[in-house]
Amino acid sequence: GNSVTQMEGPVTLSEEAFLTINCTYTATGYPSLFWYVQYPGEGLQLLLKATKADDKGSNKGFEATYRKETTSFHLEKGSVQVSDSAVYFCALRIRAGGTSYGKLTFGQGTILTVHP
Amino acid sequence: KAGVTQTPRYLIKTRGQQVTLSCSPISGHRSVSWYQQTPGQGLQFLFEYFSETQRNKGNFPGRFSGRQFSNSRSEMNVSTLELGDSALYLCASSLDNRVEETQYFGPGTRLLVL
Repeated sequence: GNSVTQMEGPVTLSEEAFLTINCTYTATGYPSLFWYVQYPGEGLQLLLKATKADDKGSNKGFEATYRKETTSFHLEKGSVQVSDSAVYFCALRIRAGGTSYGKLTFGQGTILTVHP
Repeated sequence: KAGVTQTPRYLIKTRGQQVTLSCSPISGHRSVSWYQQTPGQGLQFLFEYFSETQRNKGNFPGRFSGRQFSNSRSEMNVSTLELGDSALYLCASSLDNRVEETQYFGPGTRLLVL
């Protein structure tokens, strides 16, 4: 089946530190890959996405590259801020042949806390 | 453009009761999906509707059902509530159901079953 594995959390960093959250996936077709962020008490917001191999998604200083050879989509940011504290979810949507599937398959989420 | 709205935001029910949750998608979006979020199981897919038809269903018992109306608004219903149904229920809409399309999430309905 299809699945997403994220690095174990929580992750605690000081402001301006470099962030990496690892995400690997298993898929039987050709997935689109997404990173969502969830702030306390809120729903999920799309952070970035990539829809084919070697695509790089970027937004608000965050980046992730779709690596088909390593089945990975690691999230990175060069300098985190206190306001980046949230839960981050890696997710995939899969296409098999000509069929579209709406379902998002999520990783377990990584809690990020950034201290001043 | 207004985002995805969900009502109610909070709900307290007792075991055995039933509940109906509502979702209004972003204007022009035709696909609506529902997810359940719990601390133990994370985010799990419930079902997806597109043009009033259920296109995809997750691994949930038949007590969980849903529908979509001609204006793309969607409702989900849970009958005979159990304690384990306590969760944040998230609705997401997208323009269509292509895998490249972004799903935009609402704030969720937090259901507590006592």
